[in-house]
Amino acid sequence: AQSVTQPDIHITVSEGASLELRCNYSYGATPYLFWYVQSPGQGLQLLLKYFSGDTLVQGIKGFEAEFKRSQSSFNLRKPSVHWSDAAEYFCAVDKFQTGANNLFFGTGTRLTVIP
Amino acid sequence: SQTIHQWPATLVQPVGSPLSLECTVEGTSNPNLYWYRQAAGRGLQLLFYSVGIGQISSEVPQNLSASRPQDRQFILSSKKLLLSDSGFYLCAWTENYEQYFGPGTRLTVT
Repeated sequence: AQSVTQPDIHITVSEGASLELRCNYSYGATPYLFWYVQSPGQGLQLLLKYFSGDTLVQGIKGFEAEFKRSQSSFNLRKPSVHWSDAAEYFCAVDKFQTGANNLFFGTGTRLTVIP
Repeated sequence: SQTIHQWPATLVQPVGSPLSLECTVEGTSNPNLYWYRQAAGRGLQLLFYSVGIGQISSEVPQNLSASRPQDRQFILSSKKLLLSDSGFYLCAWTENYEQYFGPGTRLTVT
């Protein structure tokens, strides 16, 4: 069965430092992969996605992610974190159910940014 | 451009009372629609999805039901709420394999 693992429940970084959020998936083929961000009390916003092709994908707000098939990973990175990046981040995989694009989400990583 | 609305934004209901949460999408036709629940400190759980009017698929058996009376309207209901129904409910729609989420409804069952 498909699964998505985000091993880090909570990460704290200093403003200006680099960031990497980990995501591992379990799936029989190359899935469609997504990263979403959720600010407190808000809905989710799509940061970036990977479908195929170049394994390094660029997203909004200066984020990027790299798909590594050999490691079944899709880690999210940002070279310099801003205080406004403090939020919850979710990795997701498309379950490819017939007729629908159902996503399976990881449990999320909460990012705290300290000045 | 497309927008998605959810109401109410917050709701406090006693155990055993009924529930109706509404989601509407503007700017698109025949979207796939989804209801998710996010419990405190946990990820998102897909509850229902719909690929068309009157077509509802349930992902998790539970105390809730969903209906799609119109193309761009998706309703989440319960006849009798349980304490465990508390959470943050999110509606979403899909375009080009990307899901777009509404602002959510915070439900507290007391």
